Amino acid sequence: DAKTTQPPSMDCAEGRAANLPCNHSTISGNEYVYWYRQIHSQGPQYIIHGLKNNETNEMASLIITEDRKSSTLILPHATLRDTAVYYCIVRVGTAGGTSYGKLTFGQGTILTVHP
Amino acid sequence: GAVVSQHPSRVICKSGTSVKIECRSLDFQATTMFWYRQFPKQSLMLMATSNEGSKATYEQGVEKDKFLINHASLTLSTLTVTSAHPEDSSFYICSARILVSRGDTQYFGPGTRLTVL
Repeated sequence: DAKTTQPPSMDCAEGRAANLPCNHSTISGNEYVYWYRQIHSQGPQYIIHGLKNNETNEMASLIITEDRKSSTLILPHATLRDTAVYYCIVRVGTAGGTSYGKLTFGQGTILTVHP
Repeated sequence: GAVVSQHPSRVICKSGTSVKIECRSLDFQATTMFWYRQFPKQSLMLMATSNEGSKATYEQGVEKDKFLINHASLTLSTLTVTSAHPEDSSFYICSARILVSRGDTQYFGPGTRLTVL
């Protein structure tokens, strides 16, 4: 699976949009971009994933560049409860095989939302 | 989203005893579940992949005889830490794989904090 690079930390004011970048310059054509977050002392929470089109759900938007070498997770109106470690993970998304589905977590970005 | 539970949420045991952790998918069936371990201030490390009805696949460096995994049904996987020692103290997290319209994803349990005295 392709390696990702994220800034170690970011700050955001409450109510503003939080834009978290991720570089994945070695991504392959069949690899998806996944975003998870982990609030302190809890299990990770799935946020969103995409292949090449931009995606939006009730939690966030995912913007993937045309060359797919980078992406941005957008939390449109950050709240204090969005303070967490955000992980960008790239992996094959095709179902099948007993080993598919493995997620490799890096260090992620610590997002701190300030009042 | 899909819900995954873990039990217990916290356990303290004496060195040399065994501890069993349960992971359940509550509203979906999961043929594949995963077990992770997280030490303080570190990221999650995958320990093993658990497939229903077959033997688990362990990551390099994880002792299969120490960390016993059983995935007897489509909604339950268990991790047993045998002969636990203080260095096994960690945050153990499971996840369950679910197929979605665009590939698949994983939903995680809340984690189990194991402290070995």
